[in-house]
Amino acid sequence: DGGITQSPKYLFRKEGQNVTLSCEQNLNHDAMYWYRQDPGQGLRLIYYSQIVNDFQKGDIAEGYSVSREKKESFPLTVTSAQKNPTAFYLCASSQQGGFYGYTFGSGTRLTVV
Amino acid sequence: GENVEQHPSTLSVQEGDSAVIKCTYSDSASNYFPWYKQELGKRPQLIIDIRSNVGEKKDQRIAVTLNKTAKHFSLHITETQPEDSAVYFCAASNNQGAQKLVFGQGTRLTINP
Repeated sequence: DGGITQSPKYLFRKEGQNVTLSCEQNLNHDAMYWYRQDPGQGLRLIYYSQIVNDFQKGDIAEGYSVSREKKESFPLTVTSAQKNPTAFYLCASSQQGGFYGYTFGSGTRLTVV
Repeated sequence: GENVEQHPSTLSVQEGDSAVIKCTYSDSASNYFPWYKQELGKRPQLIIDIRSNVGEKKDQRIAVTLNKTAKHFSLHITETQPEDSAVYFCAASNNQGAQKLVFGQGTRLTINP
């Protein structure tokens, strides 16, 4: 699956519930990223991590949290504080030291029910 | 921070004609400019990229041009085919600090048979 796997493909969240989206890569990439995609708005950066045990907020981090305990894994938690979580979430990874762009996962579509 | 503007938001062309999508960026330090193609419900895929040390790059029917002075870059698709129908995103990044991409809003390209 291109070396980066997101799960689940579809996720439904009830009001007030936290949910966690999984992202795993076997490309030995140092950097990993989470983007949110809404219709007509392109891709907006939520969080990114350049190295294990370190991560930084992107442009729309409020209501989200992440962890980077392993190089291969960068899970995203959508908390109840995120008031409009319905969106398509994309995880990506990249090499550091000579940027060659991203490899994307296949995405998770999150819907609030 | 960087800001990337992309135009048009939708583009419809006849099969066999050419399509051009334009992007402008704000940060003069940006030096890497990829283009991604995203088919409906799928992950974005890198189709071509250009670095700031060149002005043009071609790959079969696809070309990208970069004007550093004006801070804009363009995607050109010649001899368009139905399978070119998709959403296209431009992006920009620089090597200063974190290597993260800032995306344009996307262009929905439709090829009419």
